[in-house]
Amino acid sequence: GAGVSQSPRYKVAKRGQDVALRCDPISGHVSLFWYQQALGQGPEFLTYFQNEAQLDKSGLPSDRFFAERPEGSVSTLKIQRTQQEDSAVYLCASSRTPDPNTEAFFGQGTRLTVV
Amino acid sequence: AQSVAQPEDQVNVAEGNPLTVKCTYSVSGNPYLFWYVQYPNRGLQFLLKYITGDNLVKGSYGFEAEFNKSQTSFHLKKPSALVSDSALYFCAVRDRGGYQKVTFGTGTKLQVIP
Repeated sequence: GAGVSQSPRYKVAKRGQDVALRCDPISGHVSLFWYQQALGQGPEFLTYFQNEAQLDKSGLPSDRFFAERPEGSVSTLKIQRTQQEDSAVYLCASSRTPDPNTEAFFGQGTRLTVV
Repeated sequence: AQSVAQPEDQVNVAEGNPLTVKCTYSVSGNPYLFWYVQYPNRGLQFLLKYITGDNLVKGSYGFEAEFNKSQTSFHLKKPSALVSDSALYFCAVRDRGGYQKVTFGTGTKLQVIP
C-alpha cells in the first residue's frame, strides 16, 4: 500500500478483555516498530522486528503484551487482560532498511480505550 | 541510555515570523537525529534527519535544523512561519551503534498566530 495502515482506528475494550491490533507496513519494508503514545506524551518504544524476527521487545510493559510478525509483513500487537493503564494510542511504523539512519513511516495509530 | 528533551510544551509565533523549536539529546555515542510532525488525527510524518556532514539539515515544507555537537542540540527552524505549520513536533534520537530503538521527546505544540 501507499502507507502504513493500522486497524482498527479505535477500540474500546472492557477491562479484562483481550485485544489485537493490526499493522500493515509499507510493502517491502524490513523494519517494523510498535510504539505506545499516552495522551500528551511522545511515543514510547515497545518492540522492533527485522523481517519476522523480533529483535527487541524491551519496551513491552508486561507479559500481557505480545507482538508477532510471522511472515515478515503484517504485524499484530496483542494485549491480554487489558487494564485501564493500557489506554493509549498504539503506533506502528516501518522503515525500508534496518540501517539506524533510515527514517520510519508511521501509521495513524489505534486509539485503545479500556473501560 | 539515550534521551531527548524538548523544554517547551508550546511555542507561539506570529505568521511570517521565524520559528525555533528546541531539542537537546543525550546518547552514549554519536547520534542520528530526526524531527517528526503530528497533525490532529494523523500519524507522525517525517520532516528531516541528521546523519553526518553539514550541520544544517534542510527538510520538508521549508523546515531546517541545526546540529550542534558541543551543545548536544538539534533545534528545528523555519524562516517564515505559516498558520498551516501549527501542529505537534517531536524530536527523536537514535544511537549510531546499531541499536534500533528510537527515543522521542515529549513534543512541542507549535501555534502560529495569523
